[in-house]
Amino acid sequence: EPEVTQTPSHQVTQMGQEVILRCVPISNHLYFYWYRQILGQKVEFLVSFYNNEISEKSEIFDDQFSVERPDGSNFTLKIRSTKLEDSAMYFCASDLFRDRNQPQHFGDGTRLSIL
Amino acid sequence: GQNIDQPTEMTATEGAIVQINCTYQTSGFNGLFWYQQHAGEAPTFLSYNVLDGLEEKGRFSSFLSRSKGYSYLLLKELQMKDSASYLCAVRFNTDKLIFGTGTRLQVFP
Repeated sequence: EPEVTQTPSHQVTQMGQEVILRCVPISNHLYFYWYRQILGQKVEFLVSFYNNEISEKSEIFDDQFSVERPDGSNFTLKIRSTKLEDSAMYFCASDLFRDRNQPQHFGDGTRLSIL
Repeated sequence: GQNIDQPTEMTATEGAIVQINCTYQTSGFNGLFWYQQHAGEAPTFLSYNVLDGLEEKGRFSSFLSRSKGYSYLLLKELQMKDSASYLCAVRFNTDKLIFGTGTRLQVFP
């Protein structure tokens, strides 16, 4: 079964540094998402992306965050100047927008640790 | 706000049946998903409801009442490997999912 893949699985970064999290969505999917989950808390929506632009973003997704689809397969989340509170598990997800009976498929996540 | 409420923790015995409830605000409802999440892992899809009634998938079933803003996930013939968090997630109007805090289920022998 096709999978959403994310790299790296674990990223350790100094506070203030830039970090890029990478995702390869399922190939025929049209909608892409980033979610995050702080340890012990619920999964929170960050941003959705369709047709090469952001379709929706949450309050968490401030100017420090950006997303990009640099080629036909990758979907990246960049955090420009990381803060301690950015430490979390970041999940990429994708779905086939036109078929709403299909779920969002999640990647295995990137654990981001800010020191 | 679009709050999703579910119990924080539940316990059950191997071989038993457990029901995990989820309530949500009905305005803008456009589908409800149940995901399973083992500690440190990604959510994995279990079931989807958009119309009233019961959806059955092997040992797992999910029920939806749109008028009541209520769903439950039913797990039958519990196994030790079913110990995990169960996440209720709702799609409102747009395509993003709003997640509940998750219900941590512990299955004992």
